[in-house]
Amino acid sequence: DVKVTQSSRYLVKRTGEKVFLECVQDMDHENMFWYRQDPGLGLRLIYFSYDVKMKEKGDIPEGYSVSREKKERFSLILESASTNQTSMYLCASSLQNEKLFFGSGTQLSVL
Amino acid sequence: QKEVEQNSGPLSVPEGAIASLNCTYSDRGSQSFFWYRQYSGKSPELIMSIYSNGDKEDGRFTAQLNKASQYVSLLIRDSQPSDSATYLCAVRRQGGKLIFGQGTELSVKP
Repeated sequence: DVKVTQSSRYLVKRTGEKVFLECVQDMDHENMFWYRQDPGLGLRLIYFSYDVKMKEKGDIPEGYSVSREKKERFSLILESASTNQTSMYLCASSLQNEKLFFGSGTQLSVL
Repeated sequence: QKEVEQNSGPLSVPEGAIASLNCTYSDRGSQSFFWYRQYSGKSPELIMSIYSNGDKEDGRFTAQLNKASQYVSLLIRDSQPSDSATYLCAVRRQGGKLIFGQGTELSVKP
């Protein structure tokens, strides 16, 4: 069965900390995505990657970076966490132009 | 103007009625269109995908696409209380970006 795994379901960090959110997929998908979801704002694209070591900025990349060293793993990095980055983070993967498969999400709280 | 727009709702319909969810998008080069359902506290799950103009039916769900009007809709026939959720419209642009609308909350009353 299809699986996208996010490393943590809940995470609490302090402002200024460097935060790593990990995502692994077992479907050999080329595309991987990071979204954040906030009430009333829907899902907003942070970054996506269409191949190993390739990345594209989404609509809200400021304050974030990503890493894709292997096809199955896509990491989201908050270089210096801030309170406005408190959110639900969703990772997803897909084949080219096909549907997204989502992970279960990471609820990040930055205090 | 948002790239993908939906009415946030809530949309309330009685059990057994037809629920109609609408979405407009701004990029004429968009290639693929999706409807996702999201229950509270859960991740989105795909209901329908549509790639060409016209209607596509799957059980109680019908997706409609009109590229000239930049409009995509989802009809849910014989709505059930279990259909109560947030419905997300997603549009894939040329280059691979998949952009979501803000979602429409649907409530089906018994």
